[in-house]
Amino acid sequence: AQKITQTQPGMFVQEKEAVTLDCTYDTSDQSYGLFWYKQPSSGEMIFLIYQGSYDEQNATEGRYSLNFQKARKSANLVISASQLGDSAMYFCAMRGGYQKVTFGTGTKLQVIP
Amino acid sequence: DTEVTQTPKHLVMGMTNKKSLKCEQHMGHRAMYWYKQKAKKPPELMFVYSYEKLSINESVPSRFSPECPNSSLLNLHLHALQPEDSALYLCASSSLAGGDLGELFFGEGSRLTVL
Repeated sequence: AQKITQTQPGMFVQEKEAVTLDCTYDTSDQSYGLFWYKQPSSGEMIFLIYQGSYDEQNATEGRYSLNFQKARKSANLVISASQLGDSAMYFCAMRGGYQKVTFGTGTKLQVIP
Repeated sequence: DTEVTQTPKHLVMGMTNKKSLKCEQHMGHRAMYWYKQKAKKPPELMFVYSYEKLSINESVPSRFSPECPNSSLLNLHLHALQPEDSALYLCASSSLAGGDLGELFFGEGSRLTVL
């Protein structure tokens, strides 16, 4: 069974500052993928970043980076230089065997001008 | 622009109606998904099709009936729904190449209201 835990229901960050959104996971699969999605109020799920379980380097995509600590089963998202448009729900997700993708409960990020 | 297209974007139906949600992708993906999302909650997996065959059914009530006519299309047929079925229905697709564990590509969703 897969489980994703996001312990921060809501976060505030000052514009231009960095913010870390926490995600821990649990799985019995040896191979798995970890993702972060952004969901603005419009509802669309926007893919941000991906980390494979065997990737040794932390993934980065522009202002997004994923702090992957396999032994601790954590996959935190770091957003640098926050922008007002970053205000949204952020979901951590995991894909393991049998194509099943499980989502965490999400963190609502609000960027303050 | 999203490469997964869902129609309609909004749907209002009565409890006795029969309607369908449609999803289309042209990325050559061989896995397609239906998720249901209630307000302020994460998406909940409903169905997964792999190579046009139903591979996962998360104990979804029979009033939801999925169909995958070909590798590009995914339908969700709705019949005798309840008001609590009102939600955002998200379609997604992903590659299965080489056991790919990569990301899901989502459509913009169909917002369903059951009266």
